[in-house]
Amino acid sequence: QVQLVQSGAAVRRPGTSVKVSCKSSGYTFTSHSVSWVRQAPGHGLEWMGWISGYNGQVSYAQKFHDRVTITSDASTATSYLELRSLTPDDTAVYYCARVNLTMAFDFWGQGSLVSVSS
Amino acid sequence: EIVMTQTPATLSVSPGETVTLSCRASQNVRSDVAWFQHKPGQAPRLLIYHSSMRASDIPERFSGSGSGTEFTLTISSLQSEDFGVYYCQQFNNWPPEYSFGQGTKLDI
Repeated sequence: QVQLVQSGAAVRRPGTSVKVSCKSSGYTFTSHSVSWVRQAPGHGLEWMGWISGYNGQVSYAQKFHDRVTITSDASTATSYLELRSLTPDDTAVYYCARVNLTMAFDFWGQGSLVSVSS
Repeated sequence: EIVMTQTPATLSVSPGETVTLSCRASQNVRSDVAWFQHKPGQAPRLLIYHSSMRASDIPERFSGSGSGTEFTLTISSLQSEDFGVYYCQQFNNWPPEYSFGQGTKLDI
């Protein structure tokens, strides 16, 4: 069965960075893309970026394009989200999601809580 | 950036009722719209993709429609487990860019 398993919760100081991992299993990693979405407390879902599992091509939301990097390692079927220059407003649950062939987010990771506080 | 606007923000309903949630795109997104259900402490769940296609294992009481800039999600014969926040989402361009609506909270 398709599964996406994310790294655990992280606590960071403002100005630092965080890297969240998302390990995929149960499907051919290079045949699908992965997207990253976050939800801050009291807010809705916010799309952050997308990476092709086939060739590593990326697309970022304009809001994050200067401080986010999404990468993937096909040898371990793992995607990564790195967010830099953290502020308390980056406190959120971060999700990865598999993108199916119709471009829909059909399977999701369990979420990773990132807390930013001094 | 394409902005997705959902109405209403909150809806209070009773089991057995039928409810329609609306989503408007700021520009033409063809039929590239999906709907998700999100409950506290859980990952979002894909309900509808390509405007009207039900995802795997989604009950027939969930249906979607629309194209261009106007989209709706209809839930018939509401059940108590249908509470949560519902989001519409669009994608466009290549490589793809996505955006979510702000959500409609369904109180059963």
